[in-house]
Amino acid sequence: NAGVTQTPKFRILKIGQSMTLQCAQDMNHNYMYWYRQDPGMGLKLIYYSVGAGITDKGEVPNGYNVSRSTTEDFPLRLELAAPSQTSVYFCASSYGTSRTGELFFGEGSRLTVL
Amino acid sequence: AQSVAQPEDQVNVAEGNPLTVKCTYSVSGNPYLFWYVQYPNRGLQFLLKYITGDNLVKGSYGFEAEFNKSQTSFHLKKPSALVSDSALYFCAVCDGGATNKLIFGTGTLLAVQP
Repeated sequence: NAGVTQTPKFRILKIGQSMTLQCAQDMNHNYMYWYRQDPGMGLKLIYYSVGAGITDKGEVPNGYNVSRSTTEDFPLRLELAAPSQTSVYFCASSYGTSRTGELFFGEGSRLTVL
Repeated sequence: AQSVAQPEDQVNVAEGNPLTVKCTYSVSGNPYLFWYVQYPNRGLQFLLKYITGDNLVKGSYGFEAEFNKSQTSFHLKKPSALVSDSALYFCAVCDGGATNKLIFGTGTLLAVQP
C-alpha cells in the first residue's frame, strides 16, 4: 500500500498563476482532508470531504477549491496564487470520522508563491 | 468553538529522563483528543487518542497521555526519552458534534540531548 500520495512535492508559482495539488489514497477511506502548515501556526483545515461528491469548507477555505469525483482522489485547486498561500500543504485521509479515526497523512507539498 | 493550546514552543530534555509535552483544550461537548508526531520533512503520524474510558492512554513508541477533565488537559508523557524522539508534536481535538473537524495546536518541538 502506498497510503496517501501527494504530488508535486515542491512547486514555485508566480503571483496570479493557478495550479492543482494532487492527492490520492489507496486505503478506500471515505474521509479526506486538506491542511496547510505554517511555522508557529500548526495545521489549519482548508477543505474536507466525507465521500465522493461531497465536500465542505474548513477553517481557511478562501482562495482554494476542491472536488471529489472518486473515493481515491481529492485534488486541491489554487486559483490566482498569492504570497499568503506560500505554505506546506498536507493531504490526509481516514476510515472513520475525525472523532474516532486515525488520520493518515501524505508527505506534504511545499508551495512558494513569488 | 473548539480549540487546543500547546503552551511550550520547545521542550528540552536529556536522554533517559522523563518527558512531558503539555496540551490544554476547549470544546463544548465531549472531547476527542489526539497526539500526532512529525519528523523532519515528513507528514504527521498518529501516536494515540482519547475517546472515553481510562484517563491514561497508551500509544506508539512508549508514549502515553493523561486526560484530566477538571484541568481540561491532555499531556503527553514518556518515562525515558530517546534521542530519536526528537520531533515536532501536535495535540489535536475534535468535538463530539457533527462538525467532523480536527483542530490542531501550534506544535511543540521536542529536543532530546544525548
